[in-house]
Amino acid sequence: TQLLEQSPQFLSIQEGENLTVYCNSSSVFSSLQWYRQEPGEGPVLLVTVVTGGEVKKLKRLTFQFGDARKDSSLHITAAQPGDTGLYLCAPKTDSWGKLQFGAGTQVVVTP
Amino acid sequence: DTEVTQTPKHLVMGMTNKKSLKCEQHMGHRAMYWYKQKAKKPPELMFVYSYEKLSINESVPSRFSPECPNSSLLNLHLHALQPEDSALYLCASSQPRLLRGEQFFGPGTRLTVL
Repeated sequence: TQLLEQSPQFLSIQEGENLTVYCNSSSVFSSLQWYRQEPGEGPVLLVTVVTGGEVKKLKRLTFQFGDARKDSSLHITAAQPGDTGLYLCAPKTDSWGKLQFGAGTQVVVTP
Repeated sequence: DTEVTQTPKHLVMGMTNKKSLKCEQHMGHRAMYWYKQKAKKPPELMFVYSYEKLSINESVPSRFSPECPNSSLLNLHLHALQPEDSALYLCASSQPRLLRGEQFFGPGTRLTVL
């Protein structure tokens, strides 16, 4: 299992502020997924990034995949209470599709 | 249909009980997964089935027994569990061996072992 670091572990911000979550590794990944999970529910897939340097936007969420495909970030602009949740990065680690999950970032957005 | 369903939503069982968790998907995916998730932790992979055959067992104790009756269904049979097995059990599915490897998760079964 490759070393995968997700930071920060916890973020508490006010509605309207911006935030960034980071996912870093020394390994190269063929693809990486970001999920959001709410308490008592399963993770919901937000995006998959595949190409080095790729940037994807999903409304107020911007996802980047590093040029070397070793790191990724998630940026939320003007956060809303509905963005509250556990954000998980999960690179694909083998040809069968096995994912390695980061430790997760708990985001709390207060009105 | 892009949904993975899991039943039951909640399960409470004693250490001597036998119970089963069920998972179903109708997306035509040929890989299905069981994960265990403890509070404030990421999901931990338990088993992977690919084309209805067990391809990965992450050294899970034998009190957990997976079964894949067909390409749409995945079961997890539970017997003689311990209180530390209490967790959220997640099922997921995907198309195997694709570059993107996107997995789609069900809502989970919240298991409590008394």
